[in-house]
Amino acid sequence: GENVEQHPSTLSVQEGDSAVIKCTYSDSASNYFPWYKQELGKRPQLIIDIRSNVGEKKDQRIAVTLNKTAKHFSLHITETQPEDSAVYFCAASPSSGYALNFGKGTSLLVTP
Amino acid sequence: GAVVSQHPSWVICKSGTSVKIECRSLDFQATTMFWYRQFPKQSLMLMATSNEGSKATYEQGVEKDKFLINHASLTLSTLTVTSAHPEDSSFYICSARDAQWTTEAFFGQGTRLTVV
Repeated sequence: GENVEQHPSTLSVQEGDSAVIKCTYSDSASNYFPWYKQELGKRPQLIIDIRSNVGEKKDQRIAVTLNKTAKHFSLHITETQPEDSAVYFCAASPSSGYALNFGKGTSLLVTP
Repeated sequence: GAVVSQHPSWVICKSGTSVKIECRSLDFQATTMFWYRQFPKQSLMLMATSNEGSKATYEQGVEKDKFLINHASLTLSTLTVTSAHPEDSSFYICSARDAQWTTEAFFGQGTRLTVV
């Protein structure tokens, strides 16, 4: 089955700095790679996703890059703000009939 | 985006009793739903895949007789935790993907189960 590794497990940055979270996956059949933000006790919220036919996607301060050859993808958050503090999960899956396999999460803390 | 509603959002039950959690897709039909469990400060771990009109597929290590899943319609899947024990206390969350329109997964609000 799919195995998703996520690093780092914790990340602390100062407000305004950039944050980068990296994930690797094992199943070459995976073609969908979403990133979720989860606040305590809440459901995961999709912040950005990328499909395997795209190498990079950007949405304002958030960007995701995908290297299919190396089987890794990364989340980049620029100009971080305190409200970006949360746990971030990467995930991977084949087509829509399959479950998402999640990384272990990264606890991001943005200090003012 | 599509909406998945989960109920209840929290429940406290006594050891040995059973608890049923409902997951509904409100504006799309979900032939497949997924049930996850999340312990504090940990990731979402897939428990089972719920298929409408057929038996659920359980992940290795998940007891199918303890975690009963029923997916009787295209909009409703239920998870029943039978003979609950304190170690079953966790955050349970369902998910569905609207295969017709997008590969995005939509999550229910989650259910915080506490077994005392």
